[in-house]
Amino acid sequence: GDSVTQMEGPVTLSEEAFLTINCTYTATGYPSLFWYVQYPGEGLQLLLKATKADDKGSNKGFEATYRKETTSFHLEKGSVQVSDSAVYFCALIEGHRDDKIIFGKGTRLHILP
Amino acid sequence: GAGVSQSPRYKVAKRGQDVALRCDPISGHVSLFWYQQALGQGPEFLTYFQNEAQLDKSGLPSDRFFAERPEGSVSTLKIQRTQQEDSAVYLCASSSPGMDTQYFGPGTRLTVL
Repeated sequence: GDSVTQMEGPVTLSEEAFLTINCTYTATGYPSLFWYVQYPGEGLQLLLKATKADDKGSNKGFEATYRKETTSFHLEKGSVQVSDSAVYFCALIEGHRDDKIIFGKGTRLHILP
Repeated sequence: GAGVSQSPRYKVAKRGQDVALRCDPISGHVSLFWYQQALGQGPEFLTYFQNEAQLDKSGLPSDRFFAERPEGSVSTLKIQRTQQEDSAVYLCASSSPGMDTQYFGPGTRLTVL
């Protein structure tokens, strides 16, 4: 079945460091890809998405590019802040839009001041 | 309301008790999803409603789990004869028809002793 694999955490970085969180997926068709973020004490929030190959999703300085040839959707940010500390989930929706989300296990990110 | 709300936020149950978890979706959202998030894991799909119709319940782990949405708005997830392995955060999400963005509530943390 469809699945998402992302790098295990926790990831600890200093403020202003470059961030990459790797994500690869397995899907039979052409999924939409997402990054969700869960800040401490808050609910899951959509961070960014991409719906077709070579699309780049971006938000709050984060970016991810839908790479069909490598089945990847790696999350990057050029300069992280303490406020970026959270758990990040890579996810996909297979098939039509109104469908269940398949999540990765999540990567906890700690940013040190 | 402005977002998806869930109640209670925390629930402690003794093994064997029945519990009921409530979800109030965003007004006008037709689609409603339930997910289960075990500690340190990503959310996993339980069931999906479109209006009052339960279109997919393939993720419910056993027949002790039951969900309903009788008037196409508020939904209740019921777990009968709770077991320790049911301990998790239960997330509710809603979306508009044809949209791939789901909006999540804060979750209900269930602890079964």
